[in-house]
Amino acid sequence: SQQGEEDPQALSIQEGENATMNCSYKTSINNLQWYRQNSGRGLVHLILIRSNEREKHSGRLRVTLDTSKKSSSLLITASRAADTASYFCATDAGGGSNYKLTFGKGTLLTVNP
Amino acid sequence: DSGVTQTPKHLITATGQRVTLRCSPRSGDLSVYWYQQSLDQGLQFLIQYYNGEERAKGNILERFSAQQFPDLHSELNLSSLELGDSALYFCASSNTVTNGYTFGSGTRLTVV
Repeated sequence: SQQGEEDPQALSIQEGENATMNCSYKTSINNLQWYRQNSGRGLVHLILIRSNEREKHSGRLRVTLDTSKKSSSLLITASRAADTASYFCATDAGGGSNYKLTFGKGTLLTVNP
Repeated sequence: DSGVTQTPKHLITATGQRVTLRCSPRSGDLSVYWYQQSLDQGLQFLIQYYNGEERAKGNILERFSAQQFPDLHSELNLSSLELGDSALYFCASSNTVTNGYTFGSGTRLTVV
């Protein structure tokens, strides 16, 4: 079953613009993570935000988390053609060695040069 | 190279057959996870192993089984294959929550 649901399913923007993707989830979490997947390749971990954090930055990435609304957003600033990929949110509701991520269905981001 | 190695990269087999997918985790990672990715179901968690022991089970069919060996590599066995088993199968490893998962490049299974 899917825990996270990304919105929108697809997003097309021009190079240099900002891209915002949203994720909603259903149960309490320990942390929420965002991953990127280039077509047919493995997923790459981008950023992790813990349940007691509200905002986190990493380079051109900004992630927010609102646990009261059970939602998160990923902002990519000054997008580049190389940012074209699918982006997934994943939630961790377990703990310790039983750490297990549940992934959403992803947002397909296309950045046009 | 992520450090997680999956073999083979591609596999084409007939219905009813049995295949084994192999995963070597990143050095130092004790946990191995298997996921199935298909267009209609997205990324589905199958099973997790931690230091040789099964820790969590997801939507894994009875026809599928896995194990993690003492050297920490893992194998996913898929038997009595059906057309609907065609998918990308990913292995991921982790050592702590903080670092997230490290994914392999996947095995693309096609059942004909």
